[in-house]
Amino acid sequence: DAKTTQPNSMESNEEEPVHLPCNHSTISGTDYIHWYRQLPSQGPEYVIHGLTSNVNNRMASLAIAEDRKSSTLILHRATLRDAAVYYCILRDEGGNTDKLIFGTGTRLQVFP
Amino acid sequence: DAGVTQSPTHLIKTRGQHVTLRCSPISGHKSVSWYQQVLGQGPQFIFQYYEKEERGRGNFPDRFSARQFPNYSSELNVNALLLGDSALYLCASSRDRYEQYFGPGTRLTVT
Repeated sequence: DAKTTQPNSMESNEEEPVHLPCNHSTISGTDYIHWYRQLPSQGPEYVIHGLTSNVNNRMASLAIAEDRKSSTLILHRATLRDAAVYYCILRDEGGNTDKLIFGTGTRLQVFP
Repeated sequence: DAGVTQSPTHLIKTRGQHVTLRCSPISGHKSVSWYQQVLGQGPQFIFQYYEKEERGRGNFPDRFSARQFPNYSSELNVNALLLGDSALYLCASSRDRYEQYFGPGTRLTVT
């Protein structure tokens, strides 16, 4: 299973943009990049995913490097509700399972 | 629409006992996955079931088993409980190959 590397923690002020990095140098051609987040005392929540092109949705943007060995989750204006652990996950879409391999993620703190 | 529901919310068991955890997926979702989350770590994949067939199994001992019913709900069974089985057990449902929706989890404490 391909692995990802993320910083243990990051901090941001409210209403500022946040860039959460993820390295995945061993990514394969069939791996999609998924981001989930886990708010305190809740199950993980899907944020966004992509393969090669940058992606946008109502929650965030995903910027993927041209060589696909790294990606960045962008929260355009952080709110206190965005304080969570963010997981960058590679999912093999060519395999038979939908399993998600979670690492330890990045704990994002947002200050008012 | 109702989200993924899990029962019970909390559970306390003694070493050596067995436990059954239950999960109801979002309506229309045929895939259910189970994860174990130990305090301070990310969730670890245990099983995935799709259309009542096991599609994947993580690196867990045979004490862990699961099944999926015709209505796509699922049970996770753990036998001969160990102290190390204390964790949050998460269930996630999805349509095939789409994003997963997680329930709130069942907090299992083994004493």
